[in-house]
Amino acid sequence: DTEVTQTPKHLVMGMTNKKSLKCEQHMGHRAMYWYKQKAKKPPELMFVYSYEKLSINESVPSRFSPECPNSSLLNLHLHALQPEDSALYLCASSRQAVGADTQYFGPGTRLTVL
Amino acid sequence: AQTVTQSQPEMSVQEAETVTLSCTYDTSENNYYLFWYKQPPSRQMILVIRQEAYKQQNATENRFSVNFQKAAKSFSLKISDSQLGDTAMYFCAFTLVQGGSEKLVFGKGTKLTVNP
Repeated sequence: DTEVTQTPKHLVMGMTNKKSLKCEQHMGHRAMYWYKQKAKKPPELMFVYSYEKLSINESVPSRFSPECPNSSLLNLHLHALQPEDSALYLCASSRQAVGADTQYFGPGTRLTVL
Repeated sequence: AQTVTQSQPEMSVQEAETVTLSCTYDTSENNYYLFWYKQPPSRQMILVIRQEAYKQQNATENRFSVNFQKAAKSFSLKISDSQLGDTAMYFCAFTLVQGGSEKLVFGKGTKLTVNP
């Protein structure tokens, strides 16, 4: 089973709202990732968690706040977003973060910021 | 820094025919993995095939196979007997086998359309 789930599938929010995206995997993977993907572009890495600790932050604005409560769950808290933050947000996981390993992606959350 | 280049922004193929998507990469390292991911219009990114650089044998997965030319830094994907469900964006990706190499480096993608 290589399933990564994400909720919600779609999210519309105003610039003053606070919302959260959720990602879950039950494959025993110890690395989890958040990506942002604009239309017709490849995913851009935002954050990497390894063993529930933040290991990479790709200079993402502080209005995006990741959280890894346990090894199966990854959240992305959103606050005071801008319209240009509208995109598909993808979560991925892999068995480990150090050293090469296959990343498995979730279906994504389509975010629209009004 | 590692880079991945996909020179074909769009391609099309007739159903049941064969198509090859090209990918080149640049690295000074010797140990790495290469991937092809498929993202259909429904958007979920799916792993198609993986190749370890230390393996000389080209990876295959059913109708999908790669032509891995390490010296030329080329990693093309061949889709045989194309099906309508193969219509998707295809991304070539690269990752190093070493500590701190969590990053997948993606190419810009090739949009493949399979025509009936």
